[in-house]
Amino acid sequence: AQSVAQPEDQVNVAEGNPLTVKCTYSVSGNPYLFWYVQYPNRGLQFLLKYITGDNLVKGSYGFEAEFNKSQTSFHLKKPSALVSDSALYFCAVRDIAYGGSQGNLIFGKGTKLSVKP
Amino acid sequence: DAGITQSPRHKVTETGTPVTLRCHQTENHRYMYWYRQDPGHGLRLIHYSYGVKDTDKGEVSDGYSVSRSKTEDFLLTLESATSSQTSVYFCAINRDRNTEAFFGQGTRLTVV
Repeated sequence: AQSVAQPEDQVNVAEGNPLTVKCTYSVSGNPYLFWYVQYPNRGLQFLLKYITGDNLVKGSYGFEAEFNKSQTSFHLKKPSALVSDSALYFCAVRDIAYGGSQGNLIFGKGTKLSVKP
Repeated sequence: DAGITQSPRHKVTETGTPVTLRCHQTENHRYMYWYRQDPGHGLRLIHYSYGVKDTDKGEVSDGYSVSRSKTEDFLLTLESATSSQTSVYFCAINRDRNTEAFFGQGTRLTVV
């Protein structure tokens, strides 16, 4: 069965330090991977995706993610965290079980990122 | 946010009553989805649509039905609301199955 794991419920980082939010996945076939961010009382906003190509994917707001096939990981990173990056982050993979050919996604449980001044 | 509007944004309803949530898009995207968000579960797919009158079930479809009579509208109906359906409901749209989905602002539903 396909799945996405975000092993950390919360990540705490000091402003200006690098941040990493972890994601591992389990899929059959080639993975289509996504990162979304959710600010309080808002919908999800797309950050970046990996479909094919370079393993290092650059996205919005200075975020990037590294696809590692051997470790089945897709960790989200940013070189220098901002207080405004504090939010809930979701990793997702295209779901082939429930009509994945229609773009459905399986989401991780989310990681709360807290950036302190 | 991409042209997606969910209504209502907040609703409190009583157990056993039917409830309909509306998702309206102005992007003319083919694919539309309903997810629910619960603490500790992330988002889970309820139903999805791949065209007018073309819909199918997702992971947590029991107790829910959907309809899509026009490209722009995707309705989610709780046949008889239960407390376990208290959740935040998100609609999403997608231009193409291989592209990223865009999400609405969400509807917070409380069943008392």
